[in-house]
Amino acid sequence: DSGVTQTPKHLITATGQRVTLRCSPRSGDLSVYWYQQSLDQGLQFLIQYYNGEERAKGNILERFSAQQFPDLHSELNLSSLELGDSALYFCASSGHSGGLHGYTFGSGTRLTVV
Amino acid sequence: GENVEQHPSTLSVQEGDSAVIKCTYSDSASNYFPWYKQELGKGPQLIIDIRSNVGEKKDQRIAVTLNKTAKHFSLHITETQPEDSAVYFCATKDSSASKIIFGSGTRLSIRP
Repeated sequence: DSGVTQTPKHLITATGQRVTLRCSPRSGDLSVYWYQQSLDQGLQFLIQYYNGEERAKGNILERFSAQQFPDLHSELNLSSLELGDSALYFCASSGHSGGLHGYTFGSGTRLTVV
Repeated sequence: GENVEQHPSTLSVQEGDSAVIKCTYSDSASNYFPWYKQELGKGPQLIIDIRSNVGEKKDQRIAVTLNKTAKHFSLHITETQPEDSAVYFCATKDSSASKIIFGSGTRLSIRP
């Protein structure tokens, strides 16, 4: 157990629908990062939050949004889902916003859009 | 923006032999180079990292080397074991950036 909790583990939904993925960071970590991993693809950075504020944005679609709450958990909202959104979505956390530190990843949410 | 290229995409080695995975990066400001291992059905796990003021770092059977001039860094696994089978990702970051940029991954298979 890495200490980063992601729910749900699996999600199957239809095109056009909206889903919410949840992440609880490791205790004490203030930064949360969201990554997308498509089949046989690398890890694509989506967005970062630090202590409730957005810090960095990657290749995140306008149909996707995220937020970090006062208790530091984060949610990634995916709307108007398309077949191509099927992927593994990982959350990672760290104690810092910048600096030379690695991340701790959760076990991911596997999203299947049918 | 920063780009990280990783080779090979797949690698198969005999158990007990060594495996080497290589990465190149584009941003000369990068000064942190972590490596992650992703086992089937799990999230990536940090296995070793190196900072730019160091040329080599070892942790038991795993070592990383960094050549900042050539913008190359490599992961070396010696005496490979079946449990080393996984996907390995190299990554880079500079101290001013918030995010880590990952390579495309190497699927390592250990043959018995």
